[in-house]
Amino acid sequence: GQQLNQSPQSMFIQEGEDVSMNCTSSSIFNTWLWYKQDPGEGPVLLIALYKAGELTSNGRLTAQFGITRKDSFLNISASIPSDVGIYFCAGLGRSNFGNEKLTFGTGTRLTIIP
Amino acid sequence: AAGVIQSPRHLIKEKRETATLKCYPIPRHDTVYWYQQGPGQDPQFLISFYEKMQSDKGSIPDRFSAQQFSDYHSELNMSSLELGDSALYFCASSFRVPGNTIYFGEGSWLTVV
Repeated sequence: GQQLNQSPQSMFIQEGEDVSMNCTSSSIFNTWLWYKQDPGEGPVLLIALYKAGELTSNGRLTAQFGITRKDSFLNISASIPSDVGIYFCAGLGRSNFGNEKLTFGTGTRLTIIP
Repeated sequence: AAGVIQSPRHLIKEKRETATLKCYPIPRHDTVYWYQQGPGQDPQFLISFYEKMQSDKGSIPDRFSAQQFSDYHSELNMSSLELGDSALYFCASSFRVPGNTIYFGEGSWLTVV
């Protein structure tokens, strides 16, 4: 089945630093989505990517849909305390039933060191 | 803007009991997804519905069932609860067009004791 490898698993950075995380897959996806999740809360959509090669920004966030459609990265510039949380990539592709299915990466836990 | 509404937010049940979680998708969304997230885990897909019909099935136990109703809300029924069913259950919704995005509710936290 489809699997997403997300790295790094965790990051410890200082406020103001830039952050970069990525996802790779053995399968092709039609859409890449990046979510942020706070403890006990639902994933909140950050950025959606629909075309191979697409580069999209949302404030301090920038994400790209890889040319091969098997990878994506998310960058956060000038991190602030509210960026703390778990970031998930998610790929939307075809399931074995022929329908669209969202597969999550393993998550990147971002911690900001005082 | 209206979001995905889930209820209840928190639920405590004993082993072997039954629980029902409800999900109200974003208005005009026709697809509902259910995910289970254990502590420290990424969300795992359980089941999805499109236009009130089951569209995909993931790692949903046989003890669980779900359906989507005529008003597009969905319910996840869990029977013979086990301790391992304790998790955060998310519902998500989307509108099925090319390039759609999927929005999640805040989740229902189920604790089985």
